[in-house]
Amino acid sequence: NAGVTQTPKFQVLKTGQSMTLQCAQDMNHNSMYWYRQDPGMGLRLIYYSASEGTTDKGEVPNGYNVSRLNKREFSLRLESAAPSQTSVYFCASTFWGEGYTFGSGTRLTVV
Amino acid sequence: KNEVEQSPQNLTAQEGEFITINCSYSVGISALHWLQQHPGGGIVSLFMLSSGKKKHGRLIATINIQEKHSSLHITASHPRDSAVYICAVNSGGSNYKLTFGKGTLLTVNP
Repeated sequence: NAGVTQTPKFQVLKTGQSMTLQCAQDMNHNSMYWYRQDPGMGLRLIYYSASEGTTDKGEVPNGYNVSRLNKREFSLRLESAAPSQTSVYFCASTFWGEGYTFGSGTRLTVV
Repeated sequence: KNEVEQSPQNLTAQEGEFITINCSYSVGISALHWLQQHPGGGIVSLFMLSSGKKKHGRLIATINIQEKHSSLHITASHPRDSAVYICAVNSGGSNYKLTFGKGTLLTVNP
């Protein structure tokens, strides 16, 4: 099925470990986003890529890096995980600001 | 920065009731989105609006650009409508970023 695929769905990390969250879309969307969702805070933008070859910081970029590998793929890396990064992470994509498609989320726990 | 406020934060209804969820924003926008998230689930886009009204099944979304306000209505509510409903806005520009409200938790009891 067409859509946004995120992996993994669940992950437990120890403080200081690193990991990469993968996101791929097959809808030829130009823009891709990484959000985190925390109770009482709503969805907050970590990083985005308005088009292939560009990336920019969002509201809460500290502790994260991203790579727009090609038009389909946009990965989020945690270099040294901290308990404050325990959250649910969503990848999303859109074509020129039209309807957004979200991935199913990655539930990350840092202990 | 656009501020997006939703009301109510929590809403409990009986099956069959008419539901209204409100969203207001502070700065002019290019589009407003209504999203649905079931508990522990992913996020689904319901509507994108830049003016007027849209209808899909039992769901109706309206927007008043002058008043910076949108409403999501659910007619003949059903327990499967129980979810968090999230309002989000595009404030324009070429990055198409969304600013989100904190969501409205709807519980529909049988």
